[in-house]
Amino acid sequence: TQLLEQSPQFLSIQEGENLTVYCNSSSVFSSLQWYRQEPGEGPVLLVTVVTGGEVKKLKRLTFQFGDARKDSSLHITAAQPGDTGLYLCAAMNYGGSQGNLIFGKGTKLSVKP
Amino acid sequence: GAVVSQHPSRVICKSGTSVKIECRSLDFQATTMFWYRQFPKQSLMLMATSNEGSKATYEQGVEKDKFLINHASLTLSTLTVTSAHPEDSSFYICSARVPQRGSYEQYFGPGTRLTVT
Repeated sequence: TQLLEQSPQFLSIQEGENLTVYCNSSSVFSSLQWYRQEPGEGPVLLVTVVTGGEVKKLKRLTFQFGDARKDSSLHITAAQPGDTGLYLCAAMNYGGSQGNLIFGKGTKLSVKP
Repeated sequence: GAVVSQHPSRVICKSGTSVKIECRSLDFQATTMFWYRQFPKQSLMLMATSNEGSKATYEQGVEKDKFLINHASLTLSTLTVTSAHPEDSSFYICSARVPQRGSYEQYFGPGTRLTVT
């Protein structure tokens, strides 16, 4: 069974602080996605990482895919209240049909002004 | 591009009635759409994979006779919750895969909050 473990589950920080969210698995994935979800809305795709060791930057967000393609991290620099939300990592479920995604349980981030 | 819409955004219904939720891909054709359910403070759980022109594939533990899925066109999939009960109250989210962007990227609708009283 493929599982994605996210940590921490909850994170409450002050505006301006840095943070890192982790997504780990014992399985190897061909790609991994990070989504951000706000209350009452659907997840929004932030990035897809494909190559082992890949680093992608999206403004203050830095995403990294582990060399072995089993783990990923999301680092936010100088967090702002607008970064508040649920961050989900997801990967292709090879055991499923037609390429459905499996999701981690998410990291609920709260950035206080 | 890659916009997915859902309707309605919120619905309240009485126990025993049926509710239909629509999922549309607005600017692309989606041969495959996915339906998820999300309970408060939990992650998304896949319910079924919807295929245009054929039967949906349901995940283990999801009752196909209760959650009817119809993917009648390349831009529309519907989920009907039949004989709804309070325990069916949840946030239902659909997503669609954008073929030209590879098989691993999905774009999600805004979700539908179902409350069964």
